[in-house]
Amino acid sequence: AQSVSQHNHHVILSEAASLELGCNYSYGGTVNLFWYVQYPGQHLQLLLKYFSGDPLVKGIKGFEAEFIKSKFSFNLRKPSVQWSDTAEYFCAVNANNQGGKLIFGQGTELSVKP
Amino acid sequence: NAGVTQTPKFQVLKTGQSMTLQCAQDMNHEYMSWYRQDPGMGLRLIHYSVGAGITDQGEVPNGYNVSRSTTEDFPLRLLSAAPSQTSVYFCASTETGAPGNTIYFGEGSWLTVV
Repeated sequence: AQSVSQHNHHVILSEAASLELGCNYSYGGTVNLFWYVQYPGQHLQLLLKYFSGDPLVKGIKGFEAEFIKSKFSFNLRKPSVQWSDTAEYFCAVNANNQGGKLIFGQGTELSVKP
Repeated sequence: NAGVTQTPKFQVLKTGQSMTLQCAQDMNHEYMSWYRQDPGMGLRLIHYSVGAGITDQGEVPNGYNVSRSTTEDFPLRLLSAAPSQTSVYFCASTETGAPGNTIYFGEGSWLTVV
């Protein structure tokens, strides 16, 4: 069965610090990978996705993620965080052609101190 | 564009009551799904549908029913509410199961069962 693991449950950073959130998945076949963000009281918004091509994916708001197939990883990065990045971040995976069947990680809560 | 619309946004139920969470999308998407979000567990798939008249179970289907009589609507029914069903529910849709298609989420329905 597919599973997704996010290593950090709560990360606290100061503004301008660099961010890296870990995500590992387990699935032997071809997968599509996603990072979603959920601001307090709001629904999920897509930050970025990978399904083929360049393993370094750039998303909105200055976020990027790198797919490393050999490590089954899809870590999220941002060189300099802002207070407005305070939110919960979810990594998700679905197998190829599995449509809306996403498997989510547990989520990482990011708190950025001004 | 309305996107994915969920109603109600907030609901309090008594144990044993039944109710239906409504979900509608206006993007002519084939795939629709329901997730529940619980602290520390990310989002978990309840039921999904790959088209009108076709539904299937996800990871946590017990206590929930769905139907898909039209492309636009995918209601989630709680037959006899239990406190364990206190959660935030998200409906999602995507065009097809093809890789790379964006999955759109509704704004969520906060359900409390007392």
